[in-house]
Amino acid sequence: AQTVTQSQPEMSVQEAETVTLSCTYDTSESDYYLFWYKQPPSRQMILVIRQEAYKQQNATENRFSVNFQKAAKSFSLKISDSQLGDAAMYFCAYRSALQGAQKLVFGQGTRLTINP
Amino acid sequence: DAGITQSPRYKITETGRQVTLMCHQTWSHSYMFWYRQDLGHGLRLIYYSAAADITDKGEVPDGYVVSRSKTENFPLTLESATRSQTSVYFCASRNRDRGPGYTFGSGTRLTVV
Repeated sequence: AQTVTQSQPEMSVQEAETVTLSCTYDTSESDYYLFWYKQPPSRQMILVIRQEAYKQQNATENRFSVNFQKAAKSFSLKISDSQLGDAAMYFCAYRSALQGAQKLVFGQGTRLTINP
Repeated sequence: DAGITQSPRYKITETGRQVTLMCHQTWSHSYMFWYRQDLGHGLRLIYYSAAADITDKGEVPDGYVVSRSKTENFPLTLESATRSQTSVYFCASRNRDRGPGYTFGSGTRLTVV
């Protein structure tokens, strides 16, 4: 079974600085998807960014980018120019690309605090 | 465009009582999921459904029952609530032909006293 590990329960960063959240995963599959979700205090789960394993290029969405290291099974999220609105729980998640595989497997989460 | 709706948003119940959490989606997505969120565990899958009348267990199914008689509804029932089931419950859905994306409801915070 696949597992996802986020080893940083809490992180903090100064406003306008850059922060990197870590995520590692374990799988024997070669084709899969990886996600970062943001959960603000409203509890809403918001998709931040996703990466297809067969794509070598790291995904980028505005101030959010990932460092996808397939061989190391690592998928970190970099937030540049941190803003107060970035404060939230962040979850890394994995999904197999196999036909019929639909389940998301989540990491434990990292609580990000932005210091003004 | 209501999307995916969970009710209630908050619920307090007593140990041993039966409680049902509701989930309704307006897109006719094939797949629906129930997750529970607990500190230190992230979100864990309880049950999921591939279509009406097709359900399967996830990682933590004990103490829960689901049904899916209609595509748009996927209720989760705690048959006899225990304190260990105090959690935030999320419903999610996706369409098998629409890429890897998921849509989540806003969650139900359940407290069992």
